[in-house]
Amino acid sequence: SQELEQSPQSLIVQEGKNLTINCTSSKTLYGLYWYKQKYGEGLIFLMMLQKGGEEKSHEKITAKLDEKKQQSSLHITASQPSHAGIYLCGAVTISGSARQLTFGSGTQLTVLP
Amino acid sequence: KAGVTQTPRYLIKTRGQQVTLSCSPISGHRSVSWYQQTPGQGLQFLFEYFSETQRNKGNFPGRFSGRQFSNSRSEMNVSTLELGDSALYLCASSLNRGYGGTQYFGPGTRLTVL
Repeated sequence: SQELEQSPQSLIVQEGKNLTINCTSSKTLYGLYWYKQKYGEGLIFLMMLQKGGEEKSHEKITAKLDEKKQQSSLHITASQPSHAGIYLCGAVTISGSARQLTFGSGTQLTVLP
Repeated sequence: KAGVTQTPRYLIKTRGQQVTLSCSPISGHRSVSWYQQTPGQGLQFLFEYFSETQRNKGNFPGRFSGRQFSNSRSEMNVSTLELGDSALYLCASSLNRGYGGTQYFGPGTRLTVL
């Protein structure tokens, strides 16, 4: 979706390296979801951010929300092969009078052992 | 607690046929949303149901419809199937509507239209 730009589209890193995935919205954010997907399978919930400046961590994954810049970043520290997959950000914005959830195009992460 | 379940997991249909997909949300969740995922268009919102009423609809033709039952289970129907309807159809459930809480996704139904 052009409303939500996710970068990079793909990422290949060596095991143990850190990496960052970015998600930028052209609309005001009312929430931001991060999901992980294995090809052809359902989405696994990682984190949800709702407040500007909010930062959440789970194991080696940290997500931050910059409400003013309308963007979020997902940072993985000391990547492992188990981190491989497609990472999707989902932005909660307003369309008309209703909230909507729009997803980015995804980042394909490959972690080389 | 059991997660979101979708049936069937795989489906093969021919053009012109119709199909019904089913989604059972997490127990206690009242909101169910449906999404279509294709390599070209990514993940696109179809519709959202809450308390048996469609609350929001994405930009899809009228061939795509759905409903929600009193137990919050939801079905999605696609009539007069086209080749372009081949996709992974995902449903997500949440406690309430409005995307204020966590949306949990099911494993999806892979629909192939021949």
